[in-house]
Amino acid sequence: NAGVMQNPRHLVRRRGQEARLRCSPMKGHSHVYWYRQLPEEGLKFMVYLQKENIIDESGMPKERFSAEFPKEGPSILRIQQVVRGDSAAYFCASSRGGQGTYEQYFGPGTRLTVT
Amino acid sequence: EDKVVQSPLSLVVHEGDTVTLNCSYEVTNFRSLLWYKQEKKAPTFLFMLTSSGIEKKSGRLSSILDKKELSSILNITATQTGDSAIYLCAVPSEGGSNYKLTFGKGTLLTVNP
Repeated sequence: NAGVMQNPRHLVRRRGQEARLRCSPMKGHSHVYWYRQLPEEGLKFMVYLQKENIIDESGMPKERFSAEFPKEGPSILRIQQVVRGDSAAYFCASSRGGQGTYEQYFGPGTRLTVT
Repeated sequence: EDKVVQSPLSLVVHEGDTVTLNCSYEVTNFRSLLWYKQEKKAPTFLFMLTSSGIEKKSGRLSSILDKKELSSILNITATQTGDSAIYLCAVPSEGGSNYKLTFGKGTLLTVNP
């Protein structure tokens, strides 16, 4: 009964490199959400995806950030040309779909450090 | 813009004490309010409160929604050291979307033996 899985748990990148963060939703969940938690700040919504569709990316910076959730495989959050300000914990959550509001279950997060 | 404010920001108690954590919200189209517990890793889901479910209880934890006051409280009775964590409150955000959670900054609870 695996929960939401994320990898890697810790990622260190030098400025200018690319970071790829992966998320596998809970079994039976078809909706994925990415949140970012900066030091001393709350969790901030970035993007909401269903399989092969980006539903809402209003919280994601317009440049350097992209997300996908392919038909097969995990959801990927990609950050190109990382800068020090990208250092944060990135959490993925998943939920069931359909009408109404469903609780989101979070993964353990990926802690990105940009040196 | 939707807003969630939690208080206090931090709280230190002794084992056995009862604590009450507060969450107030401003949201265009209220649907629900969620409570999470965050230790060193993932926020763990605790409760979801809606207009049709304004009170929830699980063991020593309970939560009530006050739609008139636009707030919620989370009570923990007979606290234990394992309750030490950040408690987060969240509401689905503006525009009628039921997925974009707006979080408060959390209450850091420390329970000393």
